[in-house]
Amino acid sequence: GESVGLHLPTLSVQEGDNSIINCAYSNSASDYFIWYKQESGKGPQFIIDIRSNMDKRQGQRVTVLLNKTVKHLSLQIAATQPGDSAVYFCAETPNYGGSQGNLIFGKGTKLSVKP
Amino acid sequence: DAEITQSPRHKITETGRQVTLACHQTWNHNNMFWYRQDLGHGLRLIHYSYGVQDTNKGEVSDGYSVSRSNTEDLPLTLESAASSQTSVYFCASIRVYGPRISTGELFFGEGSRLTVL
Repeated sequence: GESVGLHLPTLSVQEGDNSIINCAYSNSASDYFIWYKQESGKGPQFIIDIRSNMDKRQGQRVTVLLNKTVKHLSLQIAATQPGDSAVYFCAETPNYGGSQGNLIFGKGTKLSVKP
Repeated sequence: DAEITQSPRHKITETGRQVTLACHQTWNHNNMFWYRQDLGHGLRLIHYSYGVQDTNKGEVSDGYSVSRSNTEDLPLTLESAASSQTSVYFCASIRVYGPRISTGELFFGEGSRLTVL
């Protein structure tokens, strides 16, 4: 999920397939993680979050997996739809209680859904 | 409905000019943030505020300032605009109950696209 240079990583999937978007985080002190979705021309929107005492959390059509051993976070989208096309950002905070909302964002992954 | 609005949505200015981007939220949120978004860098924090009269520097604060005279507004000022400040700017807010956040759900504005020529 991290970009290299000026190019945004892109994931292209067929409508109806499942999507998996990955994110590596670097701060081992981070204990709270969030996924955001940003549609073209709009601000990011909250999708789902997970605390470090969990390794999986499910929402509606989305699942977030957390592997603290390798500092890896993933977002799974089931039955991907054209409306899921967007840039997805992971975000972390080193202290769930003390960060006061000061999040550190990853560089984003662009999801393109082919009809 | 409560919301967060940014203005202007688009701005073209010249190098050296002072520019102010407005951010107004009606949720009565304590904490407000300004981010800039550039391809290859994602969202980077410029300044943030935890309440009236409180301001703090973020990761990329050089050349920017903010003020918080009331709960609803956090204007971002570029004292002397530079071409490197051409970017899309996002304001965000979050409610905090006491010393802990209850959710990481920042509410973002629609963004302000600034071009410095």
